[in-house]
Amino acid sequence: AQSVSQHNHHVILSEAASLELGCNYSYGGTVNLFWYVQYPGQHLQLLLKYFSGDPLVKGIKGFEAEFIKSKFSFNLRKPSVQWSDTAEYFCAVNPISGGYNKLIFGAGTRLAVHP
Amino acid sequence: DARVTQTPRHKVTEMGQEVTMRCQPILGHNTVFWYRQTMMQGLELLAYFRNRAPLDDSGMPKDRFSAEMPDATLATLKIQPSEPRDSAVYFCASSGDSNQPQHFGDGTRLSIL
Repeated sequence: AQSVSQHNHHVILSEAASLELGCNYSYGGTVNLFWYVQYPGQHLQLLLKYFSGDPLVKGIKGFEAEFIKSKFSFNLRKPSVQWSDTAEYFCAVNPISGGYNKLIFGAGTRLAVHP
Repeated sequence: DARVTQTPRHKVTEMGQEVTMRCQPILGHNTVFWYRQTMMQGLELLAYFRNRAPLDDSGMPKDRFSAEMPDATLATLKIQPSEPRDSAVYFCASSGDSNQPQHFGDGTRLSIL
């Protein structure tokens, strides 16, 4: 079965620390990849996406992610986090089949950034 | 800025009552998704529609849940009868053609007492 694994369920960092959140998926075919962010009490917002081309994609708020096909990974990074980055982060995969963009979400990683 | 609109934002009701949640997708989007989010299970896809036709509702308990799209501007998710285990945040999302990201609504926070 297709699945998405986010290895870190909770991450606690101090401001200015670097961030890397892991995401691995299980699907052998072509995929579209996404990271969504959910701030406390809010809806999911798109952080960045990968469809094709340069495997290093840049998103909003200084986030970037790298698609490594051989490792089935799409890790999220930010060089220096801020208190306002405190949120839950979801990796999502869209297996390309049938032309429908059904997403499979990971369990999420809760990030807490301390001032 | 186009948004997915969900109503109500909050709903508290007693078990056994019917609950109806509504979603207005972004104008022009032809795919609509319903998700349920809980602490224990995370984000679960309940059902999705393309061009108003249901494509997959395998994630939805069939005996009490139903999802419909009466027209292109309205999607509904109904629970009848509701149970305390249905308490969750229900999100609607919409997107255009494939290769387009999903845009989420603010969710309906449902509490069944």
